[in-house]
Amino acid sequence: GQSLEQPSEVTAVEGAIVQINCTYQTSGFYGLSWYQQHDGGAPTFLSYNALDGLEETGRFSSFLSRSDSYGYLLLQELQMKDSASYFCAVRSTDYGQNFVFGPGTRLSVLP
Amino acid sequence: NAGVTQTPKFQVLKTGQSMTLQCAQDMNHNSMYWYRQDPGMGLRLIYYSASEGTTDKGEVPNGYNVSRLNKREFSLRLESAAPSQTSVYFCASSEPPAGPDEQYFGPGTRLTVT
Repeated sequence: GQSLEQPSEVTAVEGAIVQINCTYQTSGFYGLSWYQQHDGGAPTFLSYNALDGLEETGRFSSFLSRSDSYGYLLLQELQMKDSASYFCAVRSTDYGQNFVFGPGTRLSVLP
Repeated sequence: NAGVTQTPKFQVLKTGQSMTLQCAQDMNHNSMYWYRQDPGMGLRLIYYSASEGTTDKGEVPNGYNVSRLNKREFSLRLESAAPSQTSVYFCASSEPPAGPDEQYFGPGTRLTVT
């Protein structure tokens, strides 16, 4: 079996830093991805980690620890437009090495 | 480039009716996917196609069929719609990763079955 866990909701204020955690259990593991989805929109790719460590892309960073089956997405200098749902996803050996998505974390950024 | 396109955007069906959701991509990707997303939940894989001419079941395939018509197009068919199939359906495409493992999603089809 496989499962991914994320907090259901996170709230922060503009300009702050927020961390969204993801723990996973999968059959095999190839990498951890993060997607952003605004209400009514489609998921869009944010980042990908195949190896342990931190990947930085502008205001967003993503971290992976394969030994702990854990990763997080770090959003800095929060803006109102960052209010969205964030999904972690892992590529596992199930279903032809395709993605399994977490339940999503709804981030609300307050003024 | 349009990326991934889906039709229709919205659809209401009565229980037992059939319909086909269309998806096309213009990025020359080999792999294509159909997901469903229920309120407050993540995406669940219905079917996928690793390359033209091949299709395989994902996590929740019951009640659906797919056709990979050519490299560009991947359709999803509901033969006899049920209220449990009320959901938002997303099509996606990707290339086997040589770098960041990215899927490109279409805008979605919002389906209601009454």
